[in-house]
Amino acid sequence: DIQMTQSPSSLSASVGDRVIITCRASQNIRTYLNWYQQKPGKPPNLLIYAASTLQSGVPSRFSGSGSGTDFTLTIGSLQPEDFATYYCQQSYNYPFTFGQGTRLEIK
Amino acid sequence: QVQLQESGPGLVKPSETLSLTCTVSGGSISRFYWSWIRQPPGKGLEWIGYSDDSGSTNYNPSLKSRVTISLDTSKNQVSLRLTSVTVADTAVYHCARHPGSRNWFDSWGQGTLVTVST
Repeated sequence: DIQMTQSPSSLSASVGDRVIITCRASQNIRTYLNWYQQKPGKPPNLLIYAASTLQSGVPSRFSGSGSGTDFTLTIGSLQPEDFATYYCQQSYNYPFTFGQGTRLEIK
Repeated sequence: QVQLQESGPGLVKPSETLSLTCTVSGGSISRFYWSWIRQPPGKGLEWIGYSDDSGSTNYNPSLKSRVTISLDTSKNQVSLRLTSVTVADTAVYHCARHPGSRNWFDSWGQGTLVTVST
């Protein structure tokens, strides 16, 4: 299985901050990397697919980059509704696997 | 806009079979891929497997011997069967749609909590 490792596991930030979350794959996954946001009691919501394509309806303050084994999710200016847990997921190989999650909390 | 709704028993006894249904509204299940993904309380996400309308399936090797996913296009439903459950199978189970076999999950059901306990 391809292991996905996110860092940090948790992060405290303030409204207006710029935040970067990283995701590393245990092998080359090209750009088969997707990002999700999950709030308590809700299902994950797709933010970014194919490493850098913004899903329809997602605010432009979210962006993704990377290829191969190293990827980043950037939130340009944190808004109150962005405090949540973020997951990366590879779709290059089966079984699909997710990172362990990054919990973004209010400072 | 497509909507997915999981349903099934919330409590299953150890060694029994977990059976869930995902009812899709607002769009056909044909020409898409449908996965089940689970999340133990307070933990991360685990992909269980997928099926498509051709009957093609792919399962997580960690669960392959116990899982069956199938589509009923006449009812626009996706089903999950997981046999010989243990307490480790306690989780929120989500169904999710992906547009291709190696794509992203673009629509998710709310999820249903299944507890394995005597």
